Amino acid sequence: AQSVTQPDIHITVSEGASLELRCNYSYGATPYLFWYVQSPGQGLQLLLKYFSGDTLVQGIKGFEAEFKRSQSSFNLRKPSVHWSDAAEYFCAVASTGGFKTIFGAGTRLFVKA
Amino acid sequence: ETGVTQSPTHLIKTRGQQVTLRCSSQSGHNTVSWYQQALGQGPQFIFQYYREEENGRGNFPPRFSGLQFPNYSSELNVNALELDDSALYLCASSSRSGTGDYGYTFGSGTRLTVV
Repeated sequence: AQSVTQPDIHITVSEGASLELRCNYSYGATPYLFWYVQSPGQGLQLLLKYFSGDTLVQGIKGFEAEFKRSQSSFNLRKPSVHWSDAAEYFCAVASTGGFKTIFGAGTRLFVKA
Repeated sequence: ETGVTQSPTHLIKTRGQQVTLRCSSQSGHNTVSWYQQALGQGPQFIFQYYREEENGRGNFPPRFSGLQFPNYSSELNVNALELDDSALYLCASSSRSGTGDYGYTFGSGTRLTVV
């Protein structure tokens, strides 16, 4: 069965510092992997996605993620965090065919001045 | 291009009642998925509709049901509401293709409170 683990419930970084949010997945075949961001009281916005090919994926808002099959990981990174990046971040995995996307429990990002 | 629209935005119901939540898909999308997000948790998959048929279901009881219409809009119906049904209900549309979905576009959700 598919599953997603986000080990960090919350992370605090200083504005301008780099960021890495961890995500580990469990899936038997090549997964479809996603990162979404959710601001308070809002729906989720797709940041980036990986299906195949280059394992380093670029997304919106300056985010990138790297797929590492050997580690079953898909970590999200940003070189310099802005205060507006404070939000909840969700990693998700979908099976080939794309139905039933499974979400992790999320990581809350706090940004301090 | 229009996004995903959900209505109503907030709703308060009494235990035992029934509720219908509505979702209009993004233009060009043919698949609708519904998720339940309890406070402080990630979204939990309820079910997905493709070509007006249920195309997969999560661990939710039959009192959770849905519909998809020819224009790809959708409804989520919940009967016999329980207190634990209080949550943010998210609708997500996507475009099914031969190689799978390409990520969801989410609505802002309906906040359901059961008292």
